[in-house]
Amino acid sequence: GAVVSQHPSWVICKSGTSVKIECRSLDFQATTMFWYRQFPKQSLMLMATSNEGSKATYEQGVEKDKFLINHASLTLSTLTVTSAHPEDSSFYICSARWVGVQYFGPGTRLTVL
Amino acid sequence: AQSVTQLGSHVSVSEGALVLLRCNYSSSVPPYLFWYVQYPNQGLQLLLKYTTGATLVKGINGFEAEFKKSETSFHLTKPSAHMSDAAEYFCAVSGPTNFGNEKLTFGTGTRLTIIP
Repeated sequence: GAVVSQHPSWVICKSGTSVKIECRSLDFQATTMFWYRQFPKQSLMLMATSNEGSKATYEQGVEKDKFLINHASLTLSTLTVTSAHPEDSSFYICSARWVGVQYFGPGTRLTVL
Repeated sequence: AQSVTQLGSHVSVSEGALVLLRCNYSSSVPPYLFWYVQYPNQGLQLLLKYTTGATLVKGINGFEAEFKKSETSFHLTKPSAHMSDAAEYFCAVSGPTNFGNEKLTFGTGTRLTIIP
């Protein structure tokens, strides 16, 4: 139980384009999901908390107009990186909270050329 | 405010030897503590957690950790290392998560290498 999926697992895009990443809880409902960013050989940095049916809460320093989060249902949250630039290249990981524990997706590697 | 310190960014142990990964935390509220493991290019997998009750918690793959309030520690151990244990390990802390959107604060991680 408590499986979280992400799609796509990797994506390459051109600078200036937008990329959408999906995070799904497969066998439970999650009112709260989280989006993290991880740089090579570093820890996870929380970007935002996604709440079903309401606006996401962004961490300080994270541009909400650049990283659009939508939590449209109890099993799906999406992160859209708008007008992506090479510095946005990173490993993006989502998690979904269930019974007080965060369960993580497998991550999405974004490369912006 | 909460924080996590993982002593040793790299730990190497021989196959069959004891694994000890250190984690100290700081929290202004009763902490919930977690250990996660990350294999290359993958997400995080929960190894074990402490919320309330018994201070010695057992997790998957033979790992266990003991919550020591007096030492503000939550060290991860495994009696006998296996080659498949080679990975990155993250300790994390949050507040009680019954009703809020309490966030996880992660340590910087410890890369465990197993020597054949």
